[in-house]
Amino acid sequence: DGGITQSPKYLFRKEGQNVTLSCEQNLNHDAMYWYRQDPGQGLRLIYYSQIVNDFQKGDIAEGYSVSREKKESFPLTVTSAQKNPTAFYLCATGAGRADTQYFGPGTRLTVL
Amino acid sequence: GEDVEQSLFLSVREGDSSVINCTYTDSSSTYLYWYKQEPGAGLQLLTYIFSNMDMKQDQRLTVLLNKKDKHLSLRIADTQTGDSAIYFCADSFGSSNTGKLIFGQGTTLQVKP
Repeated sequence: DGGITQSPKYLFRKEGQNVTLSCEQNLNHDAMYWYRQDPGQGLRLIYYSQIVNDFQKGDIAEGYSVSREKKESFPLTVTSAQKNPTAFYLCATGAGRADTQYFGPGTRLTVL
Repeated sequence: GEDVEQSLFLSVREGDSSVINCTYTDSSSTYLYWYKQEPGAGLQLLTYIFSNMDMKQDQRLTVLLNKKDKHLSLRIADTQTGDSAIYFCADSFGSSNTGKLIFGQGTTLQVKP
């Protein structure tokens, strides 16, 4: 994961609250990705961004929002509209197109 | 849509070889990847193979690609207890040029001493 930081490592939230997960990178990669991991289901793509000030929905974008104001940062907000937000969230970066993706250490979100 | 399938569990003895299998449906894949995930951690890139290759070897790891059958395998020689983890196969989904990866469900490798 070196070069990609995610904070916090553990996050607890009450139902009805929005929460923002941080992802920062110093790899100078153009592309950044957010995945959600649930037990036994592999990784599912939430949002991705190939360039600053542009991002696209992934397969499960409902209830989530992102911004990409800087190349180094791609924060993910889990809104109250997300019905089942408890999961492990992984941020990744890539040099664009079909290049290799590198992953951060993840944030485990638990809704109480 | 595009899909990647893996068996969910594999158990081997320390010192044996492990073979983890993966099948994919995307006929325009450019790269195929293997990642390793230890408990509570992010994914670590192990190796990848370009779609015009049949085999790639990297120390204890050997990747075999059968494009005709859309079958990918990862062989770990002399498996150690430290190899116990979840292994994910991923397809670059090359037809869309978005950089997106499609992941399998992951294979849990258990290495018994």
